[in-house]
Amino acid sequence: DGGITQSPKYLFRKEGQNVTLSCEQNLNHDAMYWYRQDPGQGLRLIYYSQIVNDFQKGDIAEGYSVSREKKESFPLTVTSAQKNPTAFYLCASYLSGVDGYTFGSGTRLTVV
Amino acid sequence: GQNIDQPTEMTATEGAIVQINCTYQTSGFNGLFWYQQHAGEAPTFLSYNVLDGLEEKGRFSSFLSRSKGYSYLLLKELQMKDSASYLCAVRFHGSSNTGKLIFGQGTTLQVKP
Repeated sequence: DGGITQSPKYLFRKEGQNVTLSCEQNLNHDAMYWYRQDPGQGLRLIYYSQIVNDFQKGDIAEGYSVSREKKESFPLTVTSAQKNPTAFYLCASYLSGVDGYTFGSGTRLTVV
Repeated sequence: GQNIDQPTEMTATEGAIVQINCTYQTSGFNGLFWYQQHAGEAPTFLSYNVLDGLEEKGRFSSFLSRSKGYSYLLLKELQMKDSASYLCAVRFHGSSNTGKLIFGQGTTLQVKP
């Protein structure tokens, strides 16, 4: 079955370290997105990519970086420049039409 | 801006009906989505409205008024498992090809026995 896979589900990072969150989809979707969710809040857009080798900053891109070398993969790196990285990170993809996004199961990142 | 507003919390009783409202700025509107999200899980798609009126799917219905910049999600015959956050998300013109959605902060619904 097609879907989006995020890994790991839980991730712990020491302050000052970079960490990369994985997002893989086999839906043949062109567009992919990274959102951040803090407790009691909605989703805020970090980065998105419409096609391979191209991506755009979202509303809160500072301290994050992405790459889109393959259609199936859109990894997110949380750098040491991100001042408050502890959050729930969601990856999504989109083809077209009325169904909106397909979401991954999320990665909960905790800085220790 | 593209602010999307919804109440932060709501409480309702099992078996009852609850309405969750969402307001948004109308300029450039190109579709509205409702998602359900249980704690620690990914959002799941509930409904989509792009034209005025009511869309019904079993116990859940969603209404849209484009001129008022207003939508609501109606949940009937509430069950305990309906306790979750409900996210309103809007797509604006210019993003129809990318699918980029702007989300409200979500409404946490607690269903009590």
